[in-house]
Amino acid sequence: AQTVTQSQPEMSVQEAETVTLSCTYDTSESDYYLFWYKQPPSRQMILVIRQEAYKQQNATENRFSVNFQKAAKSFSLKISDSQLGDAAMYFCAYRSRRSNFGNEKLTFGTGTRLTIIP
Amino acid sequence: GAVVSQHPSWVICKSGTSVKIECRSLDFQATTMFWYRQFPKQSLMLMATSNEGSKATYEQGVEKDKFLINHASLTLSTLTVTSAHPEDSSFYICSASPFSGNTIYFGEGSWLTVV
Repeated sequence: AQTVTQSQPEMSVQEAETVTLSCTYDTSESDYYLFWYKQPPSRQMILVIRQEAYKQQNATENRFSVNFQKAAKSFSLKISDSQLGDAAMYFCAYRSRRSNFGNEKLTFGTGTRLTIIP
Repeated sequence: GAVVSQHPSWVICKSGTSVKIECRSLDFQATTMFWYRQFPKQSLMLMATSNEGSKATYEQGVEKDKFLINHASLTLSTLTVTSAHPEDSSFYICSASPFSGNTIYFGEGSWLTVV
């Protein structure tokens, strides 16, 4: 079974600074997806960024980028120019690519609560 | 874009009663939907996989007779909490993906309070 570990329960960063959230995972599979989700107080799950394991290039979405180290099974999220609206819980998640995309569950890490200091 | 809708957003029920939560995919068909439970300050815990036209697959430790899941159509899955107890109070959230898509959509979630 796959596991996802987030070792930082809480992180804080000054507004406009950069912060990196850590995530490691364990799997015996070679093809999979990795995600970072943001959950604000509204509890809505918002996709931040997605990485496909077969792609070597790190995914980037505006101020959000990942450092995907497949051999080390590490998938960290870097948030640049932090904004007050970035304050939320961030979850790292794993999804297998064994079968049709719609049929695979997400395995979540325990989350990191990010606080933005004005 | 595609949306997954959950209803109700908030529900309060008395101990011993049953409550139903709906998860609908509004503009795509989903043969599989997932139900998660989230305790305060914790992560999402997968409860079960809802399969259209067949029985749900429950995760270990989840009581299938207590948390009834029905996936009667390609756009609707329901979670019924039977004989609810205060410890069932929680945030429940569903997710779904189009069969041939590559995006996961989450519902808005449902807060259940059992009094």
